[in-house]
Amino acid sequence: DAKTTQPNSMESNEEEPVHLPCNHSTISGTDYIHWYRQLPSQGPEYVIHGLTSNVNNRMASLAIAEDRKSSTLILHRATLRDAAVYYCILRVPANAGGTSYGKLTFGQGTILTVHP
Amino acid sequence: EPEVTQTPSHQVTQMGQEVILRCVPISNHLYFYWYRQILGQKVEFLVSFYNNEISEKSEIFDDQFSVERPDGSNFTLKIRSTKLEDSAMYFCASSPWTANNEQFFGPGTRLTVL
Repeated sequence: DAKTTQPNSMESNEEEPVHLPCNHSTISGTDYIHWYRQLPSQGPEYVIHGLTSNVNNRMASLAIAEDRKSSTLILHRATLRDAAVYYCILRVPANAGGTSYGKLTFGQGTILTVHP
Repeated sequence: EPEVTQTPSHQVTQMGQEVILRCVPISNHLYFYWYRQILGQKVEFLVSFYNNEISEKSEIFDDQFSVERPDGSNFTLKIRSTKLEDSAMYFCASSPWTANNEQFFGPGTRLTVL
């Protein structure tokens, strides 16, 4: 699986935007970029995913570099509830002959602290 | 909103005993997964299950582990003879019609092996 690199931790103030970076220089053309988060004492939770174009949903935005070697998860207005570990994951699609049949390979992620 | 449920929330067992962890995936989902997270460590993939068979498993998923979908709703993980190092949070996840979709995780079962 292609590797991702994320900062160990980041801090933000409530109601301010947060930009969480992820480097994935060895990404292949068919890898999707997925973001999940894990709130304290909970299971991982899907945030957003994309392939080439920037994506928006009700939780966040995903900005993908033109060369796809990096991406940024954007939380537009951080709340205390957004304090979590954020994982950037490259996912081999099952229909591209990959051996990874949809599994997610988690790294250490970025611990986001949100201050009131 | 539909969600993945898991029972029990906490299981305590003696080393060498068999445990069965249960999951009810979201009803129209087709892909099922088990992950585990040892305290303070990262989430690790164990196994994926599709069309009533294992589609992929990790090195962790050895002969002591098995999965089953005994009926149309439950998805179970069995550990035949538990070891101390099996103590972890076990998360079940499910995904809809294509494995490329997002996975929905349950709240987890904390397994403590004494």
